[in-house]
Amino acid sequence: GAVVSQHPSWVICKSGTSVKIECRSLDFQATTMFWYRQFPKQSLMLMATSNEGSKATYEQGVEKDKFLINHASLTLSTLTVTSAHPEDSSFYICSARDSGVKETQYFGPGTRLLVL
Amino acid sequence: KQEVTQIPAALSVPEGENLVLNCSFTDSAIYNLQWFRQDPGKGLTSLLLIQSSQREQTSGRLNASLDKSSGRSTLYIAASQPGDSATYLCAVRRGGSGSRLTFGEGTQLTVNP
Repeated sequence: GAVVSQHPSWVICKSGTSVKIECRSLDFQATTMFWYRQFPKQSLMLMATSNEGSKATYEQGVEKDKFLINHASLTLSTLTVTSAHPEDSSFYICSARDSGVKETQYFGPGTRLLVL
Repeated sequence: KQEVTQIPAALSVPEGENLVLNCSFTDSAIYNLQWFRQDPGKGLTSLLLIQSSQREQTSGRLNASLDKSSGRSTLYIAASQPGDSATYLCAVRRGGSGSRLTFGEGTQLTVNP
């Protein structure tokens, strides 16, 4: 089946630094990718939707200048958490929609971020 | 605004038991509904997808039903096994294949050997 990878799988950083998370669709093209955040014992909350070659659409309450999203190719989207703070510590999951099979959305394994 | 609720939040059963997980949603105008499995610290694995025009889908020991008019779906797991222990998430997609998924908070299932 289709695979979505994320790198890194976990990261620990100091407060104030920036962290970049990569999301790749390994065997299909994805014109649309989604970024979710999940806090412990809670469900996934959509942060933004990114479309290849255009600006991401952010959900209400998500700061676009803090969570920079770049979807430069059909197989890669990146999320950069800028000036990270401890409250940004969370589990970030990306998802990619297969351009050839519109209803199919595949999820990555997630990235655990801990900001000290 | 679509809201998705899952009951119970947690469930612990002995191995071999049949069980039902419940999902309800407030806006019945959905495109499809999907059940996922999430293991601790991992991403999501899609289990079953039910289109709005369908009543149920089956895959192995799993059966998912959909009653769109009442805003409910159930996931039935037959002959549960310890390997079924995970969090099960229900998600609905509203307006077509290009729209977003709205997730419930999940049911944490533990199957005891």
